[in-house]
Amino acid sequence: EAGVAQSPRYKIIEKRQSVAFWCNPISGHATLYWYQQILGQGPKLLIQFQNNGVVDDSQLPKDRFSAERLKGVDSTLKIQPAKLEDSAVYLCASSRDTRAYEQYFGPGTRLTVT
Amino acid sequence: AQKVTQAQTEISVVEKEDVTLDCVYETRDTTYYLFWYKQPPSGELVFLIRRNSFDEQNEISGRYSWNFQKSTSSFNFTITASQVVDSAVYFCALSEELRGADGLTFGKGTHLIIQP
Repeated sequence: EAGVAQSPRYKIIEKRQSVAFWCNPISGHATLYWYQQILGQGPKLLIQFQNNGVVDDSQLPKDRFSAERLKGVDSTLKIQPAKLEDSAVYLCASSRDTRAYEQYFGPGTRLTVT
Repeated sequence: AQKVTQAQTEISVVEKEDVTLDCVYETRDTTYYLFWYKQPPSGELVFLIRRNSFDEQNEISGRYSWNFQKSTSSFNFTITASQVVDSAVYFCALSEELRGADGLTFGKGTHLIIQP
């Protein structure tokens, strides 16, 4: 079974530029999550989707971050405009449903904002 | 609000020693779930275990064991006879699963170094 796929793996941009990350979850997984992991810290949830609907985006900085999950499969996370403090690894995870089933994580996208 | 504390920032032991990673959590819910994940140098988080709040039985899986104590709000992880391949950052995480929102709250992680 293929795991969670993410691209790109690395991205370097200048502050105030925009960037987008892509995630393809494990086949059949209804729930998709985006996390931000700053160096030396644990991942922090940004947004959770159930199929193509948003379940929780309470920690998403909505003035600059946006995410969508069209057709309930792939998802994109966008940052516009980026700030220096957005430098982090962005992790995508999926699980078969809600009710706190185990989440499977992708390799992440390492973003550096200069 | 939920919170996970991993007080040990870094632990270094010699191969074959036993090591315990501590995890203390805070939650107001009676139904919640606890997890441990491993993050090796490659960076990908690997699921190790999931426990719900109603199951306090300790669990053993090979060299790994977990001790869940609701009385002290702790969910500790022990590696027996450690190996160099166990070197990684280990995260404890909590989910309250409220109305379908079951995102994980992670601790800051414990960096485990196993020296040969």
